[in-house]
Amino acid sequence: GEDVEQSLFLSVREGDSSVINCTYTDSSSTYLYWYKQEPGAGLQLLTYIFSNMDMKQDQRLTVLLNKKDKHLSLRIADTQTGDSAIYFCAETGANFGNEKLTFGTGTRLTIIP
Amino acid sequence: DVKVTQSSRYLVKRTGEKVFLECVQDMDHENMFWYRQDPGLGLRLIYFSYDVKMKEKGDIPEGYSVSREKKERFSLILESASTNQTSMYLCASRLQGVSYGYTFGSGTRLTVV
Repeated sequence: GEDVEQSLFLSVREGDSSVINCTYTDSSSTYLYWYKQEPGAGLQLLTYIFSNMDMKQDQRLTVLLNKKDKHLSLRIADTQTGDSAIYFCAETGANFGNEKLTFGTGTRLTIIP
Repeated sequence: DVKVTQSSRYLVKRTGEKVFLECVQDMDHENMFWYRQDPGLGLRLIYFSYDVKMKEKGDIPEGYSVSREKKERFSLILESASTNQTSMYLCASRLQGVSYGYTFGSGTRLTVV
């Protein structure tokens, strides 16, 4: 079945850039997503990228997709304390009806003052 | 603002009890999902539903059942709660179509003692 992998932890100094990485196995993935979960809350969609794109930028967020290596990354520029959260990578396949998302384990981002 | 509402933030139940977790969405979404979230394991899909009265097993359906009698409501049922079902349960919904992503509820933290 599909598998999505992420590192569990990342620590970054305030003001630096954070890069969260994700690898996936499903070559038919059409959309890949990044979700953010703040403490005690549900998941919030941050951004998504279609598989025929290799980059998407939205303010401080940059998503890079290397489809050949099945590698997705999320870069957060000028990391702030409010960026402390768990970040989940997720993917969905191409087949109609196969619309469920497969999530990674989540990466806990800690900001060092 | 669109909403997915889970009826309880925290629940404590005894082993062997029948437990109902309720989820309601106000977006007229066709698709609804139940996940459980455990540290280091990410989100794992329990059950999902494409429409009223339809249900599909996810990756870990054992010990759970679901009910979708109305479009806006998707209930997760623990037939006989066990301690290994202590977890955070997240409900999500999505409009039909892969590009939209999910809208999540805030989660129910269930403790089975």
